[in-house]
Amino acid sequence: GNSVTQMEGPVTLSEEAFLTINCTYTATGYPSLFWYVQYPGEGLQLLLKATKADDKGSNKGFEATYRKETTSFHLEKGSVQVSDSAVYFCALSETGFQKLVFGTGTRLLVSP
Amino acid sequence: GAVVSQHPSRVICKSGTSVKIECRSLDFQATTMFWYRQFPKQSLMLMATSNEGSKATYEQGVEKDKFLINHASLTLSTLTVTSAHPEDSSFYICSARSWGGSSYNSPLHFGNGTRLTVT
Repeated sequence: GNSVTQMEGPVTLSEEAFLTINCTYTATGYPSLFWYVQYPGEGLQLLLKATKADDKGSNKGFEATYRKETTSFHLEKGSVQVSDSAVYFCALSETGFQKLVFGTGTRLLVSP
Repeated sequence: GAVVSQHPSRVICKSGTSVKIECRSLDFQATTMFWYRQFPKQSLMLMATSNEGSKATYEQGVEKDKFLINHASLTLSTLTVTSAHPEDSSFYICSARSWGGSSYNSPLHFGNGTRLTVT
């Protein structure tokens, strides 16, 4: 079946450090890929998405490229801020399906 | 942006009692709502898909008689955990897709979740 694997957290960084959160997936078809973010006390919010191979999703300084050859969708940001501290979820959705399959989430802690 | 309100945010109940969780779309109509649960250090697992005016579709392994879902209007879905037991303690999250949203391109809007503790 479909699955998403994320690196375990927490990821602890200092402000302005470079961020990478790894995400790989297994899918039978051609899924769309998403990164969701959950700030403390809030619901999940869509951060970015990519719907086909080689697409790059970007938002708020975060980027992720859909790599079909490595079945990966790693999240990156060049310079993190304290306000980026949150839990980040990688997810996929198969073409024609409504359901999202999530990874376990990775907590990011950014210190000043 | 679209807001999904989930209530309560936390609930503690005794074993054997039932608990109702509400999920409301505040500024859009949601024909489809999804219910997830999350155990500590595990991913969000889809429990069921709720379509307005029809029966919910449950994922394999989810007991439909235990987790009753009602989606009576375009803005409200409820999840009732019946005869709750300690193993039902979890984090329950609802999400909604707005009317007309395509099946995989439009984002889901999530509630803040409900932490259920059964003693």
